[in-house]
Amino acid sequence: NAGVTQTPKFRVLKTGQSMTLLCAQDMNHEYMYWYRQDPGMGLRLIHYSVGEGTTAKGEVPDGYNVSRLKKQNFLLGLESAAPSQTSVYFCASTIAGTMQETQYFGPGTRLLVL
Amino acid sequence: AQSVTQPDIHITVSEGASLELRCNYSYGATPYLFWYVQSPGQGLQLLLKYFSGDTLVQGIKGFEAEFKRSQSSFNLRKPSVHWSDAAEYFCAVGPMNRDDKIIFGKGTRLHILP
Repeated sequence: NAGVTQTPKFRVLKTGQSMTLLCAQDMNHEYMYWYRQDPGMGLRLIHYSVGEGTTAKGEVPDGYNVSRLKKQNFLLGLESAAPSQTSVYFCASTIAGTMQETQYFGPGTRLLVL
Repeated sequence: AQSVTQPDIHITVSEGASLELRCNYSYGATPYLFWYVQSPGQGLQLLLKYFSGDTLVQGIKGFEAEFKRSQSSFNLRKPSVHWSDAAEYFCAVGPMNRDDKIIFGKGTRLHILP
């Protein structure tokens, strides 16, 4: 049982390049989330998904797209990377979306956009 | 709108000393409250959570937190810190509505002096 895993761990992009971050969970969780963490800003929700085939916008969705084609995977895409997207990205999942559920976090992906 | 404030960006304590990390929230009703810990280079891990009942909540690693409705606070405490407690701590608030999302504070970084 690996929990929540994220691929890659670290990536350097040039402005304008695209990439996809992969989040996978093996706990059969319904809800999945993508956050970004910036110094002094805490965690901010980018997008989330309440189940396979569904996605919704969070607090800071601009410049990102997501897909949840399979229940266990949640992909975060950057179509045209910008330096402002330099951040650490965390994926999380919960059994369901009620606030009684603990969020399980992945180890993070560190992204540097030059 | 709900919000959570962690007034201290950094706190330094000596090993073996007691610890209190402050968290204040703003919400119209009693929210769900959480404390997460993030060790360097890691994702977030749940320390404890409060939903209802006893206002003193016990968590993992010897931490506890007390919910004080009159002060809108949920401060985290530990009677004697260990060097391994050096990390960043996040308070979070989640509302009753399952369609709303959890909101994280900006974090408090804890430094331990030997």
